[in-house]
Amino acid sequence: EAQVTQNPRYLITVTGKKLTVTCSQNMNHEYMSWYRQDPGLGLRQIYYSMNVEVTDKGDVPEGYKVSRKEKRNFPLILESPSPNQTSLYFCASRLDRVGEQYFGPGTRLTVT
Amino acid sequence: QQQVKQSPQSLIVQKGGISIINCAYENTAFDYFPWYQQFPGKGPALLIAIRPDVSEKKEGRFTISFNKSAKQFSLHIMDSQPGDSATYFCAASNFNKFYFGSGTKLNVKP
Repeated sequence: EAQVTQNPRYLITVTGKKLTVTCSQNMNHEYMSWYRQDPGLGLRQIYYSMNVEVTDKGDVPEGYKVSRKEKRNFPLILESPSPNQTSLYFCASRLDRVGEQYFGPGTRLTVT
Repeated sequence: QQQVKQSPQSLIVQKGGISIINCAYENTAFDYFPWYQQFPGKGPALLIAIRPDVSEKKEGRFTISFNKSAKQFSLHIMDSQPGDSATYFCAASNFNKFYFGSGTKLNVKP
């Protein structure tokens, strides 16, 4: 089944403790993105990747890192999480620049 | 500063009625305008999308109307059904960047 998977689905952590949210897609898509969803703000793009080793900042990249060492994986790294990064995070992928964007199931992160 | 403004925030429609959600943008470089549907606990899913060289696109009960000169686009859901109850997001894209509206929570009453 073609899909985007994220792990973990739920995470509660403390301020400053490094964490990684994994994202994987099995559709051989070139493009991948990370978004955060907050009430009243919709989704905001954090980072995107156009191919292996090619990444760039989205609208709200501060406090986040990404890497794309393999085509199928695009992990999101929070090196020193803060409470304002408490949010619902979505990974998404698409075949090319004009292709349909497929979203993962989401990761609900709480930073205390 | 929000790049895409969406209204209304919430919408209640009777079964069989027409649901209309509006979005406006400022950046004329946007070249792709998708609408996403999101059910509770799920990720958004593409519903329908349009490019600025087309003024209208219809897929089943869903229609996008696009007004390039006004920099506005809207989603019309004809014959709305209770199963359409969800949150809808408009978005605008320029190359690899996507900007989303704040969302509209649609409730279709039986």
